[in-house]
Amino acid sequence: EDQVTQSPEALRLQEGESSSLNCSYTVSGLRGLFWYRQDPGKGPEFLFTLYSAGEEKEKERLKATLTKKESFLHITAPKPEDSATYLCAVQVAQGGSEKLVFGKGTKLTVNP
Amino acid sequence: GAVVSQHPSWVICKSGTSVKIECRSLDFQATTMFWYRQFPKQSLMLMATSNEGSKATYEQGVEKDKFLINHASLTLSTLTVTSAHPEDSSFYICSARRGSPKETQYFGPGTRLLVL
Repeated sequence: EDQVTQSPEALRLQEGESSSLNCSYTVSGLRGLFWYRQDPGKGPEFLFTLYSAGEEKEKERLKATLTKKESFLHITAPKPEDSATYLCAVQVAQGGSEKLVFGKGTKLTVNP
Repeated sequence: GAVVSQHPSWVICKSGTSVKIECRSLDFQATTMFWYRQFPKQSLMLMATSNEGSKATYEQGVEKDKFLINHASLTLSTLTVTSAHPEDSSFYICSARRGSPKETQYFGPGTRLLVL
């Protein structure tokens, strides 16, 4: 069974305190790994897609990396507006199609 | 960018009634649309996948006669929750994707459904 596990479940940081979120996965055939940001009561907002081990992508204070078994979302010098739940999803094959399997997310709170 | 809208953003209904939720891709044509359900502090769970002009493919455990999905055009999909019950109360989110599976899924803002 395809599984995605995110850790920690919740993370509190002071403004400027860098850290990393983890997404580990066990899937039969990884087509891609996606990171989304979700604010309370809203739909997920796309951040990154990673397709192969060793790949890295950056956007402002965020950097996503991928290995064969996990992905990290590094947050450098976070600001309060970075507070949100960060979701990781893996794209897997399903019959003749594909689908996203989501983790439960990491709720990030950045205090000023 | 790629913008997906949902309507309504929240709805309250009585048990036994039906509720229709619309999902629109505003600035691109969506070959495939997806419907998810999210319970508090839980993952997004895929309910069904729909391709324009085809019947939806439902995930295991999702009743297709209860959750009717129509993807009549490249910019519109609808989810109808028939004979809603309190246990159907949840946050329903759609996503839309252009042609290739390598394309990104863009999500709508979600619809909060409360069944009394």
